[in-house]
Amino acid sequence: EAQVTQNPRYLITVTGKKLTVTCSQNMNHEYMSWYRQDPGLGLRQIYYSMNVEVTDKGDVPEGYKVSRKEKRNFPLILESPSPNQTSLYFCASSGGLSYEQYFGPGTRLTVT
Amino acid sequence: QQQVKQSPQSLIVQKGGISIINCAYENTAFDYFPWYQQFPGKGPALLIAIRPDVSEKKEGRFTISFNKSAKQFSLHIMDSQPGDSATYFCAASIRTGTDKLIFGTGTRLQVFP
Repeated sequence: EAQVTQNPRYLITVTGKKLTVTCSQNMNHEYMSWYRQDPGLGLRQIYYSMNVEVTDKGDVPEGYKVSRKEKRNFPLILESPSPNQTSLYFCASSGGLSYEQYFGPGTRLTVT
Repeated sequence: QQQVKQSPQSLIVQKGGISIINCAYENTAFDYFPWYQQFPGKGPALLIAIRPDVSEKKEGRFTISFNKSAKQFSLHIMDSQPGDSATYFCAASIRTGTDKLIFGTGTRLQVFP
């Protein structure tokens, strides 16, 4: 089954404790992206990657890092989380001739 | 110029009625306009999309109307059903190979029996 998986689905952490949210897709897509979803603000892009070892900032990159060492994986790293990073995070991928982005199930992060 | 403005923020419709969600954009370079549907606890999923060379696209009960001169597009859900209750996001993209989507702020639709 074609899918984007994210782990963990739920995470509660404390300010300053480094964390990683993993994202993996099995569709051999070149393009992968991270979004955060906040009430009233919609989905905002954090970082994206057009292929292995090619990443770039989206609209709200501050406080986040990413890496793309393998085509299927695109982890999101918060090196020193802060309460304003409490949000719902989605990973997405797309590729080929279709512009459809496939979204993962989301990771709800709470930083206290 | 990169914004996509979406309204209304929430919408309540009776079963069988028509749901209409509107979006407006500024950047005339946008050339792909998808609508995504999101159920609670799930990620968004593509519902229907349109390119600016057509004024309307219909898939079942869902129709996108596109007005290039006004830089507006809208989603119409005919014969709305309780199962359509979800959050709907419009988006826009420039198909230069980055696949970057600019999303609207979302509309929460509730369809009551």
